[in-house]
Amino acid sequence: DTEVTQTPKHLVMGMTNKKSLKCEQHMGHRAMYWYKQKAKKPPELMFVYSYEKLSINESVPSRFSPECPNSSLLNLHLHALQPEDSALYLCASSHESGNTGELFFGEGSRLTVL
Amino acid sequence: GNSVTQMEGPVTLSEEAFLTINCTYTATGYPSLFWYVQYPGEGLQLLLKATKADDKGSNKGFEATYRKETTSFHLEKGSVQVSDSAVYFCALSQNSGYSTLTFGKGTMLLVSP
Repeated sequence: DTEVTQTPKHLVMGMTNKKSLKCEQHMGHRAMYWYKQKAKKPPELMFVYSYEKLSINESVPSRFSPECPNSSLLNLHLHALQPEDSALYLCASSHESGNTGELFFGEGSRLTVL
Repeated sequence: GNSVTQMEGPVTLSEEAFLTINCTYTATGYPSLFWYVQYPGEGLQLLLKATKADDKGSNKGFEATYRKETTSFHLEKGSVQVSDSAVYFCALSQNSGYSTLTFGKGTMLLVSP
């Protein structure tokens, strides 16, 4: 099983809503990532979890709140978002030790904020 | 800091044409190099990788060679297909624990029948 599964694939929310994006992997990877991708741009790193602890937060606004309940799951909680937060949100995972740097990406969750 | 520069797109080719997408990088030490592909409406897929100088990565007819002397990792394919139409990202990673990829801006490839 070499998949990273993200749900939902599409999400539309208002600026006052609270929603969550979910990501799951069963490859035994101990590092998990959230990226944000705007149209016609490369992905931008938001958060990195290593061994279920937050290792990197790229100065992401607090309206995005990550959570790593266990080594297979990664959530991104969304609250009071702005229309400019509309984007494709990509989850990825990788090995930790002995890592050659390869990330395995999910299909993404396409978020529209109205 | 690390950076990746790849050629501007879109690259427009006819089916069976030869493809080259240039990629150069700036990094300290010996990074790993990658080409990722993103088909319309999808996430990123690893296309190929190389982890040390002179390594050649290959997959699905695509090839790229890690050239440390020219700090390059150009993507090539001898005969493109319509199904190769996608955005291609060159990326690098420093090998230390978890990975933080540095991406190029992406090159869109459009292949017509």
